[in-house]
Amino acid sequence: SQTIHQWPATLVQPVGSPLSLECTVEGTSNPNLYWYRQAAGRGLQLLFYSVGIGQISSEVPQNLSASRPQDRQFILSSKKLLLSDSGFYLCAWTAGWGEKLFFGSGTQLSVL
Amino acid sequence: QKEVEQNSGPLSVPEGAIASLNCTYSDRGSQSFFWYRQYSGKSPELIMSIYSNGDKEDGRFTAQLNKASQYVSLLIRDSQPSDSATYLCAVNSWGVSGGRRALTFGSGTRLQVQP
Repeated sequence: SQTIHQWPATLVQPVGSPLSLECTVEGTSNPNLYWYRQAAGRGLQLLFYSVGIGQISSEVPQNLSASRPQDRQFILSSKKLLLSDSGFYLCAWTAGWGEKLFFGSGTQLSVL
Repeated sequence: QKEVEQNSGPLSVPEGAIASLNCTYSDRGSQSFFWYRQYSGKSPELIMSIYSNGDKEDGRFTAQLNKASQYVSLLIRDSQPSDSATYLCAVNSWGVSGGRRALTFGSGTRLQVQP
């Protein structure tokens, strides 16, 4: 069966510090991978998606970037965090377009 | 206009009652529809998917889709306190330029089941 791992679960970072969140998927090959962000009490906002190694599409211009160095690995990064980057970050995968989307356990990021 | 709209709630129902959650979407080309349940501080969990008009039942859950009215609903029968959570509607469709799009989520409806 397929599983998705995301870490860390919580993170507290000062403004201006760098960020790296990692996500890996097991039990499948060539998944579509996604990064979503959920602000407190708000809906899910799609940040990035990837259909293959090195292929990244950005949905919202912002302070963040994403990379996919391996088939089942997806990384979310920032060089300098802003207060507005605080939120619940969720990695997710699908087997293909229109397929069911499955989420990792999420990272609660607080930028202070 | 938001692409996927839900009433934020809270929707309060007594234990054992039927909870009815509604969702409307703007893109007539939408093809796949999903309901997720999210407990506070946790990630969303997929509970139902529906792709064609009509009803789809899974245990206590029934998803209903009406593409002509651009309307999706979720019914929860015999509601339990453990069903208290936020329910997210998600829709997958083609973009205006013809490209594929990822799931777009509504902001969710908070359900409270009173013991």
